[in-house]
Amino acid sequence: GENVEQHPSTLSVQEGDSAVIKCTYSDSASNYFPWYKQELGKRPQLIIDIRSNVGEKKDQRIAVTLNKTAKHFSLHITETQPEDSAVYFCAASLMDSSYKLIFGSGTRLLVRP
Amino acid sequence: GAGVSQSPRYKVAKRGQDVALRCDPISGHVSLFWYQQALGQGPEFLTYFQNEAQLDKSGLPSDRFFAERPEGSVSTLKIQRTQQEDSAVYLCASSPPGQVNQPQHFGDGTRLSIL
Repeated sequence: GENVEQHPSTLSVQEGDSAVIKCTYSDSASNYFPWYKQELGKRPQLIIDIRSNVGEKKDQRIAVTLNKTAKHFSLHITETQPEDSAVYFCAASLMDSSYKLIFGSGTRLLVRP
Repeated sequence: GAGVSQSPRYKVAKRGQDVALRCDPISGHVSLFWYQQALGQGPEFLTYFQNEAQLDKSGLPSDRFFAERPEGSVSTLKIQRTQQEDSAVYLCASSPPGQVNQPQHFGDGTRLSIL
């Protein structure tokens, strides 16, 4: 089955700097890759997603890149702000009968003011 | 509009008791998912419904776990004879209809503690 690995597990950056979180997946049939932000005690919130027919997608300060050959995708946050502090999860999904998401183990991002 | 609603938000039960967790998906969302999130971990898939049909239950950890969605809207996850390892946050997500993977929107979850 699909397996998603996420690095780093923790990331501390100065406010205004960029943050990059990387994920790799094992099943080349995966075709949908969302990123979720989860604050303590809150629901996972979808912040951006990318499909396998696209190499890069950007939404204001957030961007995601996908390398299908290498089977990895990355989240880039520019001009980080303290409110970006949270746990970020990547996920991968097959377009099979289930559409279930396989999540990475999460990255705890701390943005220092 | 209203998001995915889950109840109760917190549930404490003694080992061996049965529990039932409820999920109200976003109106019009045909797909509904249940995930289990252990402390400090990413969510893990439990089961998937398309309307009232349970199309994938491969993630349910044992036959003590049962889910249903009889009218294709509200879903209930039931855990029988609870054990301490069942303690976790149970998340429900729903997504709209479509030919390809659609974004999944999560509820706040039910935090289950088994004493």
